[in-house]
Amino acid sequence: GQNIDQPTEMTATEGAIVQINCTYQTSGFNGLFWYQQHAGEAPTFLSYNVLDGLEEKGRFSSFLSRSKGYSYLLLKELQMKDSASYLCAVRLNSGNTPLVFGKGTRLSVIA
Amino acid sequence: EAGVVQSPRYKIIEKKQPVAFWCNPISGHNTLYWYLQNLGQGPELLIRYENEEAVDDSQLPKDRFSAERLKGVDSTLKIQPAELGDSAVYLCASSLAGLNNEQFFGPGTRLTVL
Repeated sequence: GQNIDQPTEMTATEGAIVQINCTYQTSGFNGLFWYQQHAGEAPTFLSYNVLDGLEEKGRFSSFLSRSKGYSYLLLKELQMKDSASYLCAVRLNSGNTPLVFGKGTRLSVIA
Repeated sequence: EAGVVQSPRYKIIEKKQPVAFWCNPISGHNTLYWYLQNLGQGPELLIRYENEEAVDDSQLPKDRFSAERLKGVDSTLKIQPAELGDSAVYLCASSLAGLNNEQFFGPGTRLTVL
C-alpha cells in the first residue's frame, strides 16, 4: 500500500514561519505536490517538486529529498488567511495519473 | 476562464435513494478525475477518464457507483442506492493531457445520507 504521513494539526502565530513535514513510502514516485484547502472549498495547487531541492514561490517554499522520502512546505510571514488544510500528494507514475494524498495538516494561524 | 464546475454543491438524501453529481471540467482538459474526500482525510481517487474512456476505475465500488463521460467533456457520478457511509465530499478534477500536468479541482459536492 501507499503511505503518506503528515501531522494532523499545527498552530502558528501571525507573522511567523511554519514548516509542515510530509514523509512518504510509495510503490512509485513521479513528483510530489502540495495543495491548500480552505474549509468547504476546492484544493488549490501550491507547489510541485520532482527533483531534490528547494522550490521557492513567494511566501511559500517546498523541499524534496527523494532518498529520504521526505518533503516539507515552508510558509513565511504567516497571515490569518493561511489558516487551512495543507495536503501532501504523490504522483506514482508519469503522465496524468492520479495523486495519492496524505490526510492533510490543518494549520491554524493565531494573532 | 471558469474553473471546474460541480453541481449541486450540497445534497441531502435518505439512505437507499439514488443521487447524481455533475462535473464540467476546464475547457480543453482531456483528463477528468472523481475523488472522494471524507472529513479530515485527503482525497481518494474513484475513477479517471482520458477523454470519454475510463482508464482507471479500480477504486470505484461498482455495485452501487457508476460514472460516465459522454462526448469526453462533462461527467456524472451516480450512487444507487446510497448508504450512510457514502456521506462525504465528492471532488471532480481535470488536467491537460501530457506529462505531469497540474490537476485543478472543483469545489466538490457535499453529500449527506440520512
